[in-house]
Amino acid sequence: NAGVMQNPRHLVRRRGQEARLRCSPMKGHSHVYWYRQLPEEGLKFMVYLQKENIIDESGMPKERFSAEFPKEGPSILRIQQVVRGDSAAYFCASSRETGEHEQYFGPGTRLTVT
Amino acid sequence: AQKVTQAQTEISVVEKEDVTLDCVYETRDTTYYLFWYKQPPSGELVFLIRRNSFDEQNEISGRYSWNFQKSTSSFNFTITASQVVDSAVYFCALIMNRDDKIIFGKGTRLHILP
Repeated sequence: NAGVMQNPRHLVRRRGQEARLRCSPMKGHSHVYWYRQLPEEGLKFMVYLQKENIIDESGMPKERFSAEFPKEGPSILRIQQVVRGDSAAYFCASSRETGEHEQYFGPGTRLTVT
Repeated sequence: AQKVTQAQTEISVVEKEDVTLDCVYETRDTTYYLFWYKQPPSGELVFLIRRNSFDEQNEISGRYSWNFQKSTSSFNFTITASQVVDSAVYFCALIMNRDDKIIFGKGTRLHILP
């Protein structure tokens, strides 16, 4: 049973470009969470999605960031017009049901903005 | 507000010594879950333990042990006979039963010196 998959593992973007981070949850999981880890910091919650629905986006920056989890395909975190401060590790987690509190983390995508 | 505090930013010990990583949490909820994760230099998050608020039994898994004390809101982690491979950043984390976002501490960077 494959774990949570994220790609790319490393992404380099110039300031002003768009970054697209993908997350495929574990088989049978329909809940996806995105977390951001800034350098030398702990992870911070960004957004929680179920298929075709954003459930909680209280941790998402108000501008330039968006997330989706379509009926088919991976969840995507999109960052438009990236700035140096967006450089971070972005982790995706998935769970089977809400309330289980067992979130399985992917390996992360390391975004570097030059 | 909910919060996780890991007061030790960085610890260095010599191999084979025991080391305890401290974690103090804040929540007014009565039902919650506590976690420890390991982040080795490769960057992925490795799940170590989950403990619910009603289970105050200490747990031992090989060289790892956890001490959960509700009276002091602490969930400390001890590594016995440390090894170089234990070098990593360790995160303590909290999730409320009514919520879906994990709240992470800032982490403790552990160096095990040969």
